[in-house]
Amino acid sequence: EADIYQTPRYLVIGTGKKITLECSQTMGHDKMYWYQQDPGMELHLIHYSYGVNSTEKGDLSSESTVSRIRTEHFPLTLESARPSHTSQYLCASSAPGLTFYTFGSGTRLTVV
Amino acid sequence: ILNVEQSPQSLHVQEGDSTNFTCSFPSSNFYALHWYRWETAKSPEALFVMTLNGDEKKKGRISATLNTKEGYSYLYIKGSQPEDSATYLCAWGGATNKLIFGTGTLLAVQP
Repeated sequence: EADIYQTPRYLVIGTGKKITLECSQTMGHDKMYWYQQDPGMELHLIHYSYGVNSTEKGDLSSESTVSRIRTEHFPLTLESARPSHTSQYLCASSAPGLTFYTFGSGTRLTVV
Repeated sequence: ILNVEQSPQSLHVQEGDSTNFTCSFPSSNFYALHWYRWETAKSPEALFVMTLNGDEKKKGRISATLNTKEGYSYLYIKGSQPEDSATYLCAWGGATNKLIFGTGTLLAVQP
């Protein structure tokens, strides 16, 4: 049973559309993360949150934005989707300290 | 730029074979090394988090070792089974628990 939920699982959308990828966790974790993975490549951190109202950009530059208004919810938004945004997006959370991540099932985004 | 490297990129073994993979990472400013198993169409699942030089962890037929001085970790699978088929990811963890991932090793176990 998943403790972290991502929707949608798959999304095909036209260029210029605004999209929001949802991520919710029920574990009360303060730390949440968004990673992006292009085919054959590593997972790259694009956004990070320490807790409510705290977000940072990751090492990989991204045109997406995030918000953290509630502990359990960490949505990612693309204001105007482009084909270069086609990728897999994974959300994760972790307990305090140097602890393992719990991952969502991912959203595979295709922008046409 | 920190780089985590995994080898081999892919591996095909027969059921019952034992196998191992390597993860190389920067030895400076080390805090933690993570291993995850990622099966197709599922979420990555945590196997181990190791923090101390010389750490050895075991979970069933899977075990891992850590050498922080030289910057490598080995993952071993004893007696591989078809259900072990997955991509195995390692990741270097910083002080804030942000992870830098390798590209993974894809393991296929033939019955």
